[in-house]
Amino acid sequence: DTAVSQTPKYLVTQMGNDKSIKCEQNLGHDTMYWYKQDSKKFLKIMFSYNNKELIINETVPNRFSPKSPDKAHLNLHINSLELGDSAVYFCASSQEMGVQETQYFGPGTRLLVL
Amino acid sequence: AQSVTQLDSQVPVFEEAPVELRCNYSSSVSVYLFWYVQYPNQGLQLLLKYLSGSTLVESINGFEAEFNKSQTSFHLRKPSVHISDTAEYFCAVSVGDKIIFGKGTRLHILP
Repeated sequence: DTAVSQTPKYLVTQMGNDKSIKCEQNLGHDTMYWYKQDSKKFLKIMFSYNNKELIINETVPNRFSPKSPDKAHLNLHINSLELGDSAVYFCASSQEMGVQETQYFGPGTRLLVL
Repeated sequence: AQSVTQLDSQVPVFEEAPVELRCNYSSSVSVYLFWYVQYPNQGLQLLLKYLSGSTLVESINGFEAEFNKSQTSFHLRKPSVHISDTAEYFCAVSVGDKIIFGKGTRLHILP
């Protein structure tokens, strides 16, 4: 069984649209994350949640809104998509909050904005 | 401010040859250090990490990395690579409440 899963795997959409990416982990972890990986493979954290509470909110446009309905899920909603939003978005989870914790990554969602 | 530098964006190596992937970090405080691997079309997986104790850490698939505080480095090595090691390798440093990733080094294994 996949430990951290994301849907959809691929997402192609027009500029200005609103889209959501879903993430689920079945590891029983308390902490979940969203990362953005750009075309140059640079990976940067966007958000982290611990027990459904927002912990890290990097300088991300407020068009991006994470939602954590429960500990096992962290969804990412993006409003008014722009060309620069094209990237691979990775969800991850860790047992606890703490930088020493191993993070487990999902397979990624490849978003292309046209 | 903390940062991570991976000096090589790509490293071609013949199969069964040794390899070293370089990583340097800058930080004014104690850090935890990680190497993550990303196989094609997959998410990142932890390869190994240094938290404290022995400065030499090993992974189950033959990789090792040595924390060198004086040189602020955490280079990754393997004495003999296999075609299955083809992947992108990310060095990361965590200080405070975040992990900062390097830009990655693509390891090409040549037959």
